[in-house]
Amino acid sequence: SQQGEEDPQALSIQEGENATMNCSYKTSINNLQWYRQNSGRGLVHLILIRSNEREKHSGRLRVTLDTSKKSSSLLITASRAADTASYFCATALAYNAGGTSYGKLTFGQGTILTVHP
Amino acid sequence: EAQVTQNPRYLITVTGKKLTVTCSQNMNHEYMSWYRQDPGLGLRQIYYSMNVEVTDKGDVPEGYKVSRKEKRNFPLILESPSPNQTSLYFCASSTVGERLYEQYFGPGTRLTVT
Repeated sequence: SQQGEEDPQALSIQEGENATMNCSYKTSINNLQWYRQNSGRGLVHLILIRSNEREKHSGRLRVTLDTSKKSSSLLITASRAADTASYFCATALAYNAGGTSYGKLTFGQGTILTVHP
Repeated sequence: EAQVTQNPRYLITVTGKKLTVTCSQNMNHEYMSWYRQDPGLGLRQIYYSMNVEVTDKGDVPEGYKVSRKEKRNFPLILESPSPNQTSLYFCASSTVGERLYEQYFGPGTRLTVT
């Protein structure tokens, strides 16, 4: 089942505006990651926030994590046409049980961001 | 250059004809994983491997097999492909310790099963 649910499914803005995407999940996590995908290409890692962190910044990106609400948001400030892409959140859960290590990543369905010049 | 490679990049095959998609990484990563991407469904994990000879099912393992005999390679095997396995497939790798870290993705393999 899909753990990460993203909202909105599509977002269309003008260059210079901010873009906010949200992600909700259902179970415990070790960290939450955001990825970007240009049409049909491989995903590129943007930022990782650990479960004990509440906010993280990287350049024009700001990620928040609220573990009590099981939600995260990705803010892209001062957007550019080159930011046009699909954005995915992914929850990571790694644990040991019975002497065996497990590690699952679960991706959301993604938000398609279009930034108009 | 640190990278994940997949081959082939494009493949058209017929129902029932066994195929293998190769994946290789040069970053000495312990963790490797396969995903399929379908419109409206995002990426779904097929299988993953925490290390050599250690593999486990993801969310959609039916119809797929994997093996991890060497640290750098993680092939995806479709013993008897069916049209519902037509998809875009991605391999990824990462370091692993107490947590899973950022995934490095391959360029993708677009598979069509007729």
